[in-house]
Amino acid sequence: SQQGEEDPQALSIQEGENATMNCSYKTSINNLQWYRQNSGRGLVHLILIRSNEREKHSGRLRVTLDTSKKSSSLLITASRAADTASYFCAPFPSGTYKYIFGTGTRLKVLA
Amino acid sequence: DVKVTQSSRYLVKRTGEKVFLECVQDMDHENMFWYRQDPGLGLRLIYFSYDVKMKEKGDIPEGYSVSREKKERFSLILESASTNQTSMYLCASSPVSYNSPLHFGNGTRLTVT
Repeated sequence: SQQGEEDPQALSIQEGENATMNCSYKTSINNLQWYRQNSGRGLVHLILIRSNEREKHSGRLRVTLDTSKKSSSLLITASRAADTASYFCAPFPSGTYKYIFGTGTRLKVLA
Repeated sequence: DVKVTQSSRYLVKRTGEKVFLECVQDMDHENMFWYRQDPGLGLRLIYFSYDVKMKEKGDIPEGYSVSREKKERFSLILESASTNQTSMYLCASSPVSYNSPLHFGNGTRLTVT
């Protein structure tokens, strides 16, 4: 499968702690994107990192990309109960519009 | 803000029925996508379209067809619904640039009985 594989599948932390999610993939990519899904809703785009970038920040989000290891990580700092959701990585393979999603990491932030 | 609208949030259909799932986007995006989401399987691409009347199969096209007669509308058709097509269906759109995000609708939860 070409899809991204997130790790861990589930994560439970206390409010204020940091949450780290990892993603591995198999193909060469143009970019890698992270999305968030609240229960029963559509996905919302969080951040995009291009294949020639190594790190990107957006607010409390920090994403890293290591194309040599075909892996990425998403760090959410100072988590809040409202961050409770599923998080998906989507490696965007070169030469196609086929965004490939993994099964996601279910994050639960306890107040 | 981009808006992707799926016509129904919940749908219940009988086995063998022909089912139409409609998706409309308001940002003049060239690309539109249909995914299904199942527990433990993540999102799987059914079909996508990169222009009016153009379509390409995704990873699981069997049992589905699509129609894109106008740029803003992308329809998913279940020719003869089966119980294994019970799922959450998500529509998305994006502009043609490779470095653009997908914009998703809120999904249609389809139950086939």
